[in-house]
Amino acid sequence: DGGITQSPKYLFRKEGQNVTLSCEQNLNHDAMYWYRQDPGQGLRLIYYSQIVNDFQKGDIAEGYSVSREKKESFPLTVTSAQKNPTAFYLCASITTSGGANEQFFGPGTRLTVL
Amino acid sequence: DAKTTQPPSMDCAEGRAANLPCNHSTISGNEYVYWYRQIHSQGPQYIIHGLKNNETNEMASLIITEDRKSSTLILPHATLRDTAVYYCIVRAPLYQGGKLIFGQGTELSVKP
Repeated sequence: DGGITQSPKYLFRKEGQNVTLSCEQNLNHDAMYWYRQDPGQGLRLIYYSQIVNDFQKGDIAEGYSVSREKKESFPLTVTSAQKNPTAFYLCASITTSGGANEQFFGPGTRLTVL
Repeated sequence: DAKTTQPPSMDCAEGRAANLPCNHSTISGNEYVYWYRQIHSQGPQYIIHGLKNNETNEMASLIITEDRKSSTLILPHATLRDTAVYYCIVRAPLYQGGKLIFGQGTELSVKP
């Protein structure tokens, strides 16, 4: 089945540690996105990438980094510089060909900083 | 970027139609209106989208006003499994990143 996978589902880290969240898609989509969601809130965009080896900051990029070395993969690193990293992280992808297209979301990773 | 405004919560009786309103008064001519829903602790699920015309699929109908400043999502026969947070989103054109800008959404509670 085609889709987006995120791993792990739950992640715990100690304060001051960097951690990398995985996002893989086998939909052959060009663009990929990372969102953050806090309790009772909507999603906020962290980073997005429309093509391999290129990415742009979203609204809340500080304290995060990404890479896009392969079309299928868009890992997100939460660095120690992120002041409040505990949140639900969602990855999404979309094809950039054609007209309006739906954005597919992964199941999410819940990160808790201890 | 265009913003959307939705009521924070709504109730609906099971089996009745659920009509969820959304205002997007600053929408640009080339921006689409998307609806997603999110059940607790899951990724958002696509429902429907439209540009100018009304749209219908197996899940819902989307009614967009002629001036495109507002829209309504209609779930024709709501079930208990439709209880979720519903997000109305205006999507930037793909050449601007195609990013989805999520607001607070409407928490729909379907009651027996």
